[in-house]
Amino acid sequence: KQEVTQIPAALSVPEGENLVLNCSFTDSAIYNLQWFRQDPGKGLTSLLLIQSSQREQTSGRLNASLDKSSGRSTLYIAASQPGDSATYLCAVSFISGGYNKLIFGAGTRLAVHP
Amino acid sequence: EAQVTQNPRYLITVTGKKLTVTCSQNMNHEYMSWYRQDPGLGLRQIYYSMNVEVTDKGDVPEGYKVSRKEKRNFPLILESPSPNQTSLYFCASSLSISDGSSPLHFGNGTRLTVT
Repeated sequence: KQEVTQIPAALSVPEGENLVLNCSFTDSAIYNLQWFRQDPGKGLTSLLLIQSSQREQTSGRLNASLDKSSGRSTLYIAASQPGDSATYLCAVSFISGGYNKLIFGAGTRLAVHP
Repeated sequence: EAQVTQNPRYLITVTGKKLTVTCSQNMNHEYMSWYRQDPGLGLRQIYYSMNVEVTDKGDVPEGYKVSRKEKRNFPLILESPSPNQTSLYFCASSLSISDGSSPLHFGNGTRLTVT
């Protein structure tokens, strides 16, 4: 059974720090892994999508890596800013019993203080 | 503007009174899905649809119904809501779920309270 775990659950850092969020999954047979951002009371915004054949994706100050064999992904945020404060979720897409599934991690709540 | 639109944003109702939460996307996406988000449990999939007239159960389908008569709309129906369905609901869509290359787009959510 696919399980997705995110560590840490919460993180508080001063502005300007580089930081790493972790996501692990138990079954490596995935289509892709996505990183999302969720602001309080809002929907999720897709940040990066890494297909199963890819190793990493970059967008601005964000870089996500994928190591399928070890069941891990990391989201690297460079030079963090207060506007980065949000909850970050990862999700894996896969097939189970002939059905398409998407499983989310519980998220990492990030606070960047000035 | 490309978007997923859910209505209403907030809904308070009583046990047993049927309700529908609407979801519409203007991106010609094939895949649509409903999730509920609860503290400590994260996001869980209720139902999804690979295309028109094709729907399948997610992880927590009990107490919910969906329909996909048109590509753009995917309403969530609670025939007889109960207090344990109090939650934050999200609709999402994607061009395709099976090729692995299409990101998921989310609506802004519907906060439902059942008393």
